[in-house]
Amino acid sequence: SAVISQKPSRDICQRGTSLTIQCQVDSQVTMMFWYRQQPGQSLTLIATANQGSEATYESGFVIDKFPISRPNLTFSTLTVSNMSPEDSSIYLCSVPPGIRAPRVGEQFFGPGTRLTVL
Amino acid sequence: AQSVSQHNHHVILSEAASLELGCNYSYGGTVNLFWYVQYPGQHLQLLLKYFSGDPLVKGIKGFEAEFIKSKFSFNLRKPSVQWSDTAEYFCAVNLRGGADGLTFGKGTHLIIQP
Repeated sequence: SAVISQKPSRDICQRGTSLTIQCQVDSQVTMMFWYRQQPGQSLTLIATANQGSEATYESGFVIDKFPISRPNLTFSTLTVSNMSPEDSSIYLCSVPPGIRAPRVGEQFFGPGTRLTVL
Repeated sequence: AQSVSQHNHHVILSEAASLELGCNYSYGGTVNLFWYVQYPGQHLQLLLKYFSGDPLVKGIKGFEAEFIKSKFSFNLRKPSVQWSDTAEYFCAVNLRGGADGLTFGKGTHLIIQP
């Protein structure tokens, strides 16, 4: 399984500001996924980040609000822009098995970033 | 639309009781099925998975799940729970062979009383 780290682990931000969350993996992976877990809710997929191309966003999420970078096969960032209290959530990145693994399907999750917007 | 339903949002059991958590999915295509667990203060961990083959799959810590294709179900079971099984359990699905993210159920908060 992959080892995934996220920075920051938590943050408290003011309304109207932006926060960039980093996700680092210890092995090369084809895709990286970003999820949101709102308080008391399940996980919702925000977007899929592929290296060398634009991220693919799920319904209800847009690039202007959640810009994503994927500069290489082990790193990605998610920015939460122009934040409001409704953006208070845990943001998680996940990855499939490494680039040499035969099977794509399961995913491993990072520890998450707990964001509170005041 | 694709969806995953977990029937029980909160379950309270005594130690040594048997456990079954329901999961049904609605998905247009052949799927991969997963159960993830989130222990208090920890991040999501894969409990077990089904891709193909034997519909009864065994995971870590004595958990198992059975895929019943005709019922679009993937219920999680454990014959005798322990206090340390207290956690949030999530059923998840994605399309087989694709490079898709996961669709999660709403989760079941399981509390085991000693």
